[in-house]
Amino acid sequence: NAGVTQTPKFQVLKTGQSMTLQCAQDMNHEYMSWYRQDPGMGLRLIHYSVGAGITDQGEVPNGYNVSRSTTEDFPLRLLSAAPSQTSVYFCASRMGQGIGYTFGSGTRLTVV
Amino acid sequence: GQQLNQSPQSMFIQEGEDVSMNCTSSSIFNTWLWYKQDPGEGPVLLIALYKAGELTSNGRLTAQFGITRKDSFLNISASIPSDVGIYFCAGEYNQGGKLIFGQGTELSVKP
Repeated sequence: NAGVTQTPKFQVLKTGQSMTLQCAQDMNHEYMSWYRQDPGMGLRLIHYSVGAGITDQGEVPNGYNVSRSTTEDFPLRLLSAAPSQTSVYFCASRMGQGIGYTFGSGTRLTVV
Repeated sequence: GQQLNQSPQSMFIQEGEDVSMNCTSSSIFNTWLWYKQDPGEGPVLLIALYKAGELTSNGRLTAQFGITRKDSFLNISASIPSDVGIYFCAGEYNQGGKLIFGQGTELSVKP
């Protein structure tokens, strides 16, 4: 049981480049979310999903796309990276509503 | 934007002291959760609260779900150096599965 696996751990992008942050979980969890963490801002919700084929926006969705074609995977896409997207990104999953999330170890993204 | 206000933002305490932090919201939550984050890692769940007025302990940690359902607090008794880290509260609305986090309380413990 690997839990929540995020790849890559570190990434440097140039402004305007696109990339996908990968997230996979092997716990058969229905709910998955993406958060970004910036100093003094806590964890802010980008997008979340309550099951395969269902996604919704969180607090800060602009500049990010998601899809959920399988229960296991929830990739986060940056279509055109901007310096304001420099952050640490966390993926998390849980069995259902009212249950605490299990977090991945994060992806540290720098956009120059 | 953020709907959870967590305070204090940081605390510097002596080993053995008790610690208290809290979260308030303008919205009513069905669930309150408390997490701890160590440097370079993802947050880890400490305590989950499901009912207004509920008081739950996990070792030296005690958390309460406020009666109004708009606030929660976390107490740590007899702090030790490994308590160092960032503590987050999180609240979940009644529907939709959206979990919102506070800004975090950074705890430093002097041996």
